[in-house]
Amino acid sequence: GQNIDQPTEMTATEGAIVQINCTYQTSGFNGLFWYQQHAGEAPTFLSYNVLDGLEEKGRFSSFLSRSKGYSYLLLKELQMKDSASYLCAVSARAGSYQLTFGKGTKLSVIP
Amino acid sequence: EPEVTQTPSHQVTQMGQEVILRCVPISNHLYFYWYRQILGQKVEFLVSFYNNEISEKSEIFDDQFSVERPDGSNFTLKIRSTKLEDSAMYFCASLKPLRGTLGETQYFGPGTRLLVL
Repeated sequence: GQNIDQPTEMTATEGAIVQINCTYQTSGFNGLFWYQQHAGEAPTFLSYNVLDGLEEKGRFSSFLSRSKGYSYLLLKELQMKDSASYLCAVSARAGSYQLTFGKGTKLSVIP
Repeated sequence: EPEVTQTPSHQVTQMGQEVILRCVPISNHLYFYWYRQILGQKVEFLVSFYNNEISEKSEIFDDQFSVERPDGSNFTLKIRSTKLEDSAMYFCASLKPLRGTLGETQYFGPGTRLLVL
């Protein structure tokens, strides 16, 4: 089976840094994705990790440890518009690309 | 920048009625997907479609569901006899797989919010 865990909610202050963790147990692994989802809208791609290590993309970075089944999304210089749900998703099988999503972490950025 | 589009944005239907949700994937993409998200819950995979046939489907995708790519651009999801529990946001996604690049990334459409009464 597939299991992806992430915290339900987090709160952080504008201008600060926040780390959203994700742990996964899947029958295979072909990549981990982070998506941002504002309420009532579609998931928007943020980052993709398939090898261990850190991927940096502007204010957003994502880290992966395949041996630990662990990833995190790091958001720097938080802005009010970063208030959204952040979805961790795993592609478990090469050639399938089907995504299994976690329940998402609702991030609230406060002044 | 190319994007996935979906119509309608909202659909209200009576239980037992058929609905067809439409998607136009990004033009050079090869894999197409339907996902659903019940309000307050996680995004769930329904079906993937490649080379004009279903490549994978989940337990949710039972005989009441079907998908079609009737022409070179549209990708549709049909629910034959809707149930109350089919009320959800339905997302279409597409992908052009390129090994070693972000080509394995799925791009989502804006969704169709389906309400079954």
